[in-house]
Amino acid sequence: DSGVTQTPKHLITATGQRVTLRCSPRSGDLSVYWYQQSLDQGLQFLIQYYNGEERAKGNILERFSAQQFPDLHSELNLSSLELGDSALYFCASSATDSLSYEQYFGPGTRLTVT
Amino acid sequence: AQKITQTQPGMFVQEKEAVTLDCTYDTSDPSYGLFWYKQPSSGEMIFLIYQGSYDQQNATEGRYSLNFQKARKSANLVISASQLGDSAMYFCAMRPSVSSGSARQLTFGSGTQLTVLP
Repeated sequence: DSGVTQTPKHLITATGQRVTLRCSPRSGDLSVYWYQQSLDQGLQFLIQYYNGEERAKGNILERFSAQQFPDLHSELNLSSLELGDSALYFCASSATDSLSYEQYFGPGTRLTVT
Repeated sequence: AQKITQTQPGMFVQEKEAVTLDCTYDTSDPSYGLFWYKQPSSGEMIFLIYQGSYDQQNATEGRYSLNFQKARKSANLVISASQLGDSAMYFCAMRPSVSSGSARQLTFGSGTQLTVLP
């Protein structure tokens, strides 16, 4: 158990809908990262928050947004869902931004868009 | 930009034998970190081992060791005494240093599916 929690574990929804994925980082970790794992794109970085502020953006679609709250949990919002958004979404956390600090991954949320 | 290449989509190894999973990388950053993660069929990502680009010695963690050859830009994972539970997808990943000014996210390779045979 990495200490990172993600809910829900599975999510099935229809095209055009909006969903929210939730992540609680390990206790004391300030940095939260979101990744998408799909069959065709592999593991891709979406966005990072550090202590409540957006730190970096990767290949995140405009239909997607995220935020990190004062208690450090984070939410990833996906809207106007398309079939291609079906993927495993991971949240990871690390203590700081330091190079050697590994990122601990949550169990992931498997999103299926039908 | 950083790039990680894992050229072995699948590997087979006999139980109790050692296996090497290949990883090459490309970066212009002066310092960086290299990571290996394991993803079993259940889906979670498990951190295995870390190597800093300026570390003098190759990293080891139990049965895992990282064969780091900086000049060749390779960071191969060696698993000794393979066990059936080692069957999983293995990802090599890279992260730039704080000083490079780049974002600190991980860039992943495409992964190697390892199957340990009894």
